[in-house]
Amino acid sequence: ELKVEQNPLFLSMQEGKNYTIYCNYSTTSDRLYWYRQDPGKSLESLFVLLSNGAVKQEGRLMASLDTKARLSTLHITAAVHDLSATYFCAVDPPGRYGGSQGNLIFGKGTKLSVKP
Amino acid sequence: DTAVSQTPKYLVTQMGNDKSIKCEQNLGHDTMYWYKQDSKKFLKIMFSYNNKELIINETVPNRFSPKSPDKAHLNLHINSLELGDSAVYFCASSQVYTPHWGYTFGSGTRLTVV
Repeated sequence: ELKVEQNPLFLSMQEGKNYTIYCNYSTTSDRLYWYRQDPGKSLESLFVLLSNGAVKQEGRLMASLDTKARLSTLHITAAVHDLSATYFCAVDPPGRYGGSQGNLIFGKGTKLSVKP
Repeated sequence: DTAVSQTPKYLVTQMGNDKSIKCEQNLGHDTMYWYKQDSKKFLKIMFSYNNKELIINETVPNRFSPKSPDKAHLNLHINSLELGDSAVYFCASSQVYTPHWGYTFGSGTRLTVV
C-alpha cells in the first residue's frame, strides 16, 4: 500500500524565516503535487512535479522532487503571514499501462502558521 | 466561470436520510473523482470515473453510490446517512494521460449528519 508521509504536521514560524516541509512516499512515482488549503476552502494547486530533479518556484515557495529518494520538499523563503495555511503533498501512482492511475494519495498535511 | 462546481456547499441532515451531492466540470476533462476529507483534514479517494465508467471504487460503504450521466457530471448519492458520514466531500477532475494539467478540485460540500 502506498504511503505518503509529511513532516512536520504542524509548523509555527516567524515572519522572515525559512523552513522546509518534507514529503516521503513509499512506492515508485514520478508525479507529485503540492496543494494549499485555507480553512474552509478548497485545495489550490501549487506545483505539479513530473520528473526526477524537477524544481519549481512561485514567489516564496519552491518545490523539488527526488524520485530516487522518493522525497519532495517544499521550501518557504522569508515567510509572511499570508502563507499561513495547510499544505498537502500528493502522489499519483502509475497505472498498469503507464499514465496515471488516477488516484491521488495524500499526505496528512502540514499546518503552517506564520506569526509576526 | 467555475471549473469544478459542487452543490450544495453545506448540507445538514438527520441520520437515516438519503441525500445527493452534485458535481459538474467545464474543463473538458475525461476523469472525475470524489474525495472525502475527515475531521482531521485527511483526504482519501472514494471513487473515480473515466468517461462515465467506474474506475476506482475504494472501500466505502455501499450506501454511497456515484452516478455519472455524462463525462462532465459526477453525482454522489448517499443512503441511510450515519453520524460518521459527516465530512467535507470534494469533487475533482483531471485529464488522466496529461498529468501536467494536474487535478482540479471543487469547493467542497460540508456534510453534517445530526
